[in-house]
Amino acid sequence: EPEVTQTPSHQVTQMGQEVILRCVPISNHLYFYWYRQILGQKVEFLVSFYNNEISEKSEIFDDQFSVERPDGSNFTLKIRSTKLEDSAMYFCASSDQQYQETQYFGPGTRLLVL
Amino acid sequence: QKEVEQNSGPLSVPEGAIASLNCTYSDRGSQSFFWYRQYSGKSPELIMSIYSNGDKEDGRFTAQLNKASQYVSLLIRDSQPSDSATYLCAVIANFGNEKLTFGTGTRLTIIP
Repeated sequence: EPEVTQTPSHQVTQMGQEVILRCVPISNHLYFYWYRQILGQKVEFLVSFYNNEISEKSEIFDDQFSVERPDGSNFTLKIRSTKLEDSAMYFCASSDQQYQETQYFGPGTRLLVL
Repeated sequence: QKEVEQNSGPLSVPEGAIASLNCTYSDRGSQSFFWYRQYSGKSPELIMSIYSNGDKEDGRFTAQLNKASQYVSLLIRDSQPSDSATYLCAVIANFGNEKLTFGTGTRLTIIP
């Protein structure tokens, strides 16, 4: 069964450093999303992406965040200058065009900012 | 602000019994409703989606939607220890390329 994959599974970084989280969505999907979940809190939407453009972003997704689809398979989230409060689990999700409401989540990247 | 509310639990249910999980949402225009299961340290796993008023059954799971009351529920019949997890209710306001708004989740424990 096709699945969303994410790398790395864990990332430890120093405050102020840049990190890039990578995702490979399900191959025939067209809509891509990033969510995050701070430990013990709810899953929060960050950004949605379609046709090489951001279609919606949350208040959390400020100028330090960016997303890119550098090739036909990868979808990345970049955090330019990490803060302690960026420590969280980051989930990539994707959905196809026909059933675009149904989002399938990757296993996540646990980011720890020290 | 669009909110999704769930009882955080924990909810303890004996093995073999029915577990009932509830969710309310604030945006009356919401169209799509989802139940995800999340094991500790893992990602959300889709269990059910429901779009129309009434019941939708899939194996041991039944989702119920009442848009007039802005209420969606999940019933788990013949609960198994492997059902022990946090259950997340999520809502999309409109069809299309829209975000999921999640509740805080209900932690369910099935007691053998």
